[in-house]
Amino acid sequence: GQQVMQIPQYQHVQEGEDFTTYCNSSTTLSNIQWYKQRPGGHPVFLIQLVKSGEVKKQKRLTFQFGEAKKNSSLHITATQTTDVGTYFCSWDFGNEKLTFGTGTRLTIIP
Amino acid sequence: DGGITQSPKYLFRKEGQNVTLSCEQNLNHDAMYWYRQDPGQGLRLIYYSQIVNDFQKGDIAEGYSVSREKKESFPLTVTSAQKNPTAFYLCASVGRSRGNTIYFGEGSWLTVV
Repeated sequence: GQQVMQIPQYQHVQEGEDFTTYCNSSTTLSNIQWYKQRPGGHPVFLIQLVKSGEVKKQKRLTFQFGEAKKNSSLHITATQTTDVGTYFCSWDFGNEKLTFGTGTRLTIIP
Repeated sequence: DGGITQSPKYLFRKEGQNVTLSCEQNLNHDAMYWYRQDPGQGLRLIYYSQIVNDFQKGDIAEGYSVSREKKESFPLTVTSAQKNPTAFYLCASVGRSRGNTIYFGEGSWLTVV
């Protein structure tokens, strides 16, 4: 069946260190999106990746979509306390059934 | 302002009672979604609707029901058949003109006692 895994589930980093979360699919994705959810809040859209091998940057955040459109990553350079939250990937297989990963909860150690 | 409005934000109900959560959007979006989130967990898809008068079950539809009589509205009823209904419920809509970007409401916290 179609499965997408998001790893790791938790990540604790010292402020200033880098952080990466991954979403890996067993089958080709139509597109993938990334969201951030602050504690107590709702998910907020960050980026959408559509093309094979696509790389997009937003300040300290770098998003990648694999060549086979089965893998994606979100990388944060030099984390800050404002980066705290849970990061989710979301995808569909072309059927508009938008599904979310289990999320990676990022904790920053000052 | 355009957006998605969920109500109520907090709701307490006795076990065995049905409860309906409201979701209204004025973004002119065709597709709407309901997700459930348990504390510290991810989002699980309950129901989704791509067009008025049509909807599909998500991954955890049992114990829930929806309707889509108007484009702007997608209410979710949590029935007494839902075994563990206490959770955070998120409604979302998607604007096709901008790909699959999901816009979320603020969420509704349901506690069943």
